[in-house]
Amino acid sequence: NAGVTQTPKFQVLKTGQSMTLQCAQDMNHNSMYWYRQDPGMGLRLIYYSASEGTTDKGEVPNGYNVSRLNKREFSLRLESAAPSQTSVYFCASSENTGGVWEGYTFGSGTRLTVV
Amino acid sequence: QKEVEQNSGPLSVPEGAIASLNCTYSDRGSQSFFWYRQYSGKSPELIMSIYSNGDKEDGRFTAQLNKASQYVSLLIRDSQPSDSATYLCAVKDSSYKLIFGSGTRLLVRP
Repeated sequence: NAGVTQTPKFQVLKTGQSMTLQCAQDMNHNSMYWYRQDPGMGLRLIYYSASEGTTDKGEVPNGYNVSRLNKREFSLRLESAAPSQTSVYFCASSENTGGVWEGYTFGSGTRLTVV
Repeated sequence: QKEVEQNSGPLSVPEGAIASLNCTYSDRGSQSFFWYRQYSGKSPELIMSIYSNGDKEDGRFTAQLNKASQYVSLLIRDSQPSDSATYLCAVKDSSYKLIFGSGTRLLVRP
């Protein structure tokens, strides 16, 4: 199993450019998440999708949009990149259909630099 | 705002010692707790989960939970240089989302 696959792994953008970060999981999980990680600030939730067809804002949604394309794929879009969006972005997924919840499986991350 | 607090460290221990990592959380209703390990430049990986008060052991790792005091800890016995990483404490909220602490950096000296 590939688990959670994120593309690209690295990206440099100029201020004002747009881009989409892709995430796909092959574990048939219901829920998917986008986090950003900045030095000293831990992981902060941007958006999440509890199930196919639903999306909700997390702690830091401003400047981002998401699309839950199907059960496997959850993309994150930056419409007009700003230097403050320089960060490492992690996608994660989880199964939440009952029983003991075992937390997230993370993708390998996208390191984004906005200049 | 629900919070999860960790000392950022670094926590430096000699090889073979016990490393003790601590975490406190603000939401008294929290039920599920997780420890993730993150090597530099890599993604977090789950190493322990704990749901009930008391201790849970898995190899060299022991998670401890005290809901009355709202703290979770992770003990690493016989610490190895390969354990050097950042350890993230995470707490499940009322839905299926995790709230993360900022992490504690552990350095194990050979």
